[in-house]
Amino acid sequence: GQQVMQIPQYQHVQEGEDFTTYCNSSTTLSNIQWYKQRPGGHPVFLIQLVKSGEVKKQKRLTFQFGEAKKNSSLHITATQTTDVGTYFCAGPPFKDYGQNFVFGPGTRLSVLP
Amino acid sequence: NAGVTQTPKFQVLKTGQSMTLQCAQDMNHEYMSWYRQDPGMGLRLIHYSVGAGITDQGEVPNGYNVSRSTTEDFPLRLLSAAPSQTSVYFCASNRRSGTDTQYFGPGTRLTVL
Repeated sequence: GQQVMQIPQYQHVQEGEDFTTYCNSSTTLSNIQWYKQRPGGHPVFLIQLVKSGEVKKQKRLTFQFGEAKKNSSLHITATQTTDVGTYFCAGPPFKDYGQNFVFGPGTRLSVLP
Repeated sequence: NAGVTQTPKFQVLKTGQSMTLQCAQDMNHEYMSWYRQDPGMGLRLIHYSVGAGITDQGEVPNGYNVSRSTTEDFPLRLLSAAPSQTSVYFCASNRRSGTDTQYFGPGTRLTVL
């Protein structure tokens, strides 16, 4: 079945440093979504990418969808303590429009003040 | 709108006991899902529903039952609890297909002794 991998599993950064997490799928994705989960909280939707090569920005966050629609990345510029949490990518397999989201294992980000 | 609500927030069971985790949404979403989250494993899909009266299995369905008699409610039943079912359970809903944003409930932390 479809697998979604994320690297790194953990990342510790000093406040102000940049951070990047990478998401790779074993199959082509029709779209990819990114979620953030604060410690003790529930996943919250950040963004959805649909087009091959798409790049979207949200303030200090930059999201990219690979040309082959099998990988994606999330980059945070100048991290802040409010960025702490686990970042998940998720997506359904290409041509599967059923409720079959597959989540990556997540990247846990800690930011040292 | 309350969004997605889950009860209880915490539950301790003994091996062999049964219980139902409740999930409700007031956004008139067609799609609802149950996930479990274990450390380092991300979110794994247990069961999902694409509308009232329609359910299907996800990645890890064994030991769980679901039903969807109304659009609003999607309870998850543990038939005979096992220690391996100790986890955090999240319910999620979205408006339509796998291309749509998922809204998560606050979660139920379950411990099986």
